[in-house]
Amino acid sequence: NAGVTQTPKFQVLKTGQSMTLQCAQDMNHNSMYWYRQDPGMGLRLIYYSASEGTTDKGEVPNGYNVSRLNKREFSLRLESAAPSQTSVYFCASSERGNTEAFFGQGTRLTVV
Amino acid sequence: EDKVVQSPLSLVVHEGDTVTLNCSYEVTNFRSLLWYKQEKKAPTFLFMLTSSGIEKKSGRLSSILDKKELFSILNITATQTGDSAVYLCAVEAASNTGKLIFGQGTTLQVKP
Repeated sequence: NAGVTQTPKFQVLKTGQSMTLQCAQDMNHNSMYWYRQDPGMGLRLIYYSASEGTTDKGEVPNGYNVSRLNKREFSLRLESAAPSQTSVYFCASSERGNTEAFFGQGTRLTVV
Repeated sequence: EDKVVQSPLSLVVHEGDTVTLNCSYEVTNFRSLLWYKQEKKAPTFLFMLTSSGIEKKSGRLSSILDKKELFSILNITATQTGDSAVYLCAVEAASNTGKLIFGQGTTLQVKP
């Protein structure tokens, strides 16, 4: 009963390095999302994918790219990491609208 | 600009107390309001509300939505230390994509 699986759980990057956060869901959901969570700011949507083959910007997309590889997988890439991208990143999925979203366990990313 | 505001931001109570958490919103094309509980890691779903005045209940937790005044409350009765968490309110707006706008969260600490 995996649900939403994110890797890695923790990562430390140097400024300017790149990395990809991986996310996979096994619930056959159409929609997938990437959020970041910073102290005192709740969760903010970075990018989402309403269905396989489509992606759209959320509230804070700058500095990120995404790929919806197939229905199961949705990855988030930081091309040139900056200290402002230090955050906890959550991947989520849902069937579509008016249904609950299920969250992965989060990736704690520190950029030094 | 779509906005979700929660209050209070933090709250400390003793076991057995009753608490009320507030969530107000300003969004275009409201579809639903969701409450999540976040302990150490991933947010876990509590309630989804779409209609005004209909209380959703699960054990000691209950929630209600007022679409005229644009707010929701989450009540927790007979609080226990296990209720200590961050409670997140989120609103789904606009198209049927399932993307959520989150409030800042309310941090609840229940002391023995």
